[in-house]
Amino acid sequence: GAVVSQHPSWVICKSGTSVKIECRSLDFQATTMFWYRQFPKQSLMLMATSNEGSKATYEQGVEKDKFLINHASLTLSTLTVTSAHPEDSSFYICSAASEFYNEQFFGPGTRLTVL
Amino acid sequence: SQQGEEDPQALSIQEGENATMNCSYKTSINNLQWYRQNSGRGLVHLILIRSNEREKHSGRLRVTLDTSKKSSSLLITASRAADTASYFCATPPETSGSRLTFGEGTQLTVNP
Repeated sequence: GAVVSQHPSWVICKSGTSVKIECRSLDFQATTMFWYRQFPKQSLMLMATSNEGSKATYEQGVEKDKFLINHASLTLSTLTVTSAHPEDSSFYICSAASEFYNEQFFGPGTRLTVL
Repeated sequence: SQQGEEDPQALSIQEGENATMNCSYKTSINNLQWYRQNSGRGLVHLILIRSNEREKHSGRLRVTLDTSKKSSSLLITASRAADTASYFCATPPETSGSRLTFGEGTQLTVNP
């Protein structure tokens, strides 16, 4: 089956620093990758959609200058949380989709804690 | 706002019992998908039901879809402690793309 990995699985950082999270599709080429945020006991909220080689499309209310997304290849997308604040602490999940699959494949998530 | 609303928000049952979770959505859809999430983990795709289907089975899972009521249900039969997880329904837009909108989720606890 299609596998998506995320790195790191968890990260703790200080306020004001930037954190980069990687999302990789290991055995297929992902034309589209999605980034979600999930607060405790809540559902997933889509943050942005990224297509390889083009700018990401952000959902309403998501600051594109704060959450930088790069989808430089068909197997890698990165999310950089810039100038992180404690309220950015959350579980960030990516997913990948391709034209050959009906479903999205989700990464295991990254737990971000901002002190 | 969330496309889907699920009920119950939390469900606690004994092993061997059946668990039923419901999902409602607001707009027209091409398909509806159910996902499972173990605590602190990513999502696992369980089953997809298309808008022209009314019922679908996969192992101990049974999904129904009523497009007239804009609702779906997920039934897990003969539940096991390992089924303890959160279950989400998700819908892509009818127009195009694979962007998903998730329901609020049901936290299922199966007690041994």
